[in-house]
Amino acid sequence: GAGVSQSPSNKVTEKGKDVELRCDPISGHTALYWYRQSLGQGLEFLIYFQGNSAPDKSGLPSDRFSAERTGGSVSTLTIQRTQQEDSAVYLCASSLNRGSTEAFFGQGTRLTVV
Amino acid sequence: KQEVTQIPAALSVPEGENLVLNCSFTDSAIYNLQWFRQDPGKGLTSLLLIQSSQREQTSGRLNASLDKSSGRSTLYIAASQPGDSATYLCAPEGLNDYKLSFGAGTTVTVRA
Repeated sequence: GAGVSQSPSNKVTEKGKDVELRCDPISGHTALYWYRQSLGQGLEFLIYFQGNSAPDKSGLPSDRFSAERTGGSVSTLTIQRTQQEDSAVYLCASSLNRGSTEAFFGQGTRLTVV
Repeated sequence: KQEVTQIPAALSVPEGENLVLNCSFTDSAIYNLQWFRQDPGKGLTSLLLIQSSQREQTSGRLNASLDKSSGRSTLYIAASQPGDSATYLCAPEGLNDYKLSFGAGTTVTVRA
């Protein structure tokens, strides 16, 4: 596609339910990043992928968070047993390759846990 | 851990004035530094990417400088317009971890 696509754009879920957030990177981009932006806060790094592997998972807030990437393309961020503090905008970005290339962001998924 | 600071936190200017946005970072081991803008409720739009070997990068009314050794970058916006109103974020990419580390941003308001 022309840009990074994220779905859904908005998600309201009940506390304790699981959610899946999807990211379609720009075709051919090998690096993919997930960030979280809470209301009025800066961007918090969650995880990045180079191809299908995730060399750095250090940003995942807890073991309720997991992410995968298949075929070097689509990535899914899963949050299990959601809590109210998980409410935030989840942003995905991709770049042609890690290091030295421009990163492009999607419009984000706004997650609200009620 | 990379720490990124952006000064000022907010800026309000009349249309036509030049803008100067400052970014400092603690770890100079970076691949590059990227400047983004974020409009309310939207994702991030890439403005400029400066490679670690470059000192300056220009795009239209935007000019960004980089002094890697001192951990500083500055974004200049010439002849500001109301459409430039947004939050501007800088993000160095770590040489060792490939992470983009973000500052809290500078929120710019350009008054017509």
